[in-house]
Amino acid sequence: DVKVTQSSRYLVKRTGEKVFLECVQDMDHENMFWYRQDPGLGLRLIYFSYDVKMKEKGDIPEGYSVSREKKERFSLILESASTNQTSMYLCASSESTGGAKTQYFGPGTRLLVL
Amino acid sequence: AQSVTQLGSHVSVSEGALVLLRCNYSSSVPPYLFWYVQYPNQGLQLLLKYTSAATLVKGINGFEAEFKKSETSFHLTKPSAHMSDAAEYFCASLSGGYNKLIFGAGTRLAVHP
Repeated sequence: DVKVTQSSRYLVKRTGEKVFLECVQDMDHENMFWYRQDPGLGLRLIYFSYDVKMKEKGDIPEGYSVSREKKERFSLILESASTNQTSMYLCASSESTGGAKTQYFGPGTRLLVL
Repeated sequence: AQSVTQLGSHVSVSEGALVLLRCNYSSSVPPYLFWYVQYPNQGLQLLLKYTSAATLVKGINGFEAEFKKSETSFHLTKPSAHMSDAAEYFCASLSGGYNKLIFGAGTRLAVHP
């Protein structure tokens, strides 16, 4: 079974702090994704990566950056956390393109910024 | 721009009743479509996906969905709801390259005795 793990289930941070969210997948997937989930808005793509050190902006990249130094690990960074970044963050991975590949999701990190 | 619309943010059914969750897509080309389910405090899990092989797609836990090009719809159904089906359901469409998905806003399903 594919397993996607996220470093924390719950995080509480202060405004202005630098926040790191870590995601690890164990299926040698090329693609990895970071989403944020907000009530009534569904999931919105923040960034994705299709290979080591490669990244592309999603629909809402402002205020975020990412890092992918190893194939299995994809990190989301909030350089200076703000209250409007309080949300649920979901990581996903998939095989590369070539048909409708399933995205596999981690359990999510619920972030509260005070 | 491509979009996915889920009609009804909340749906409530009785145990044993039909479940119908609606999804409409906009796409200029034949889409790949997905239904995911999210149980409380968990990530998303794939229920089923449409890849143009067959218009009626069967998924896990007794769910199925029918692709109707003329209606640009991909509604999710289950003949008889169980209490364990209470969750949030997301419809999604493949968007562009790199296997990116566009998600609908989600529908929260409540099942009452």
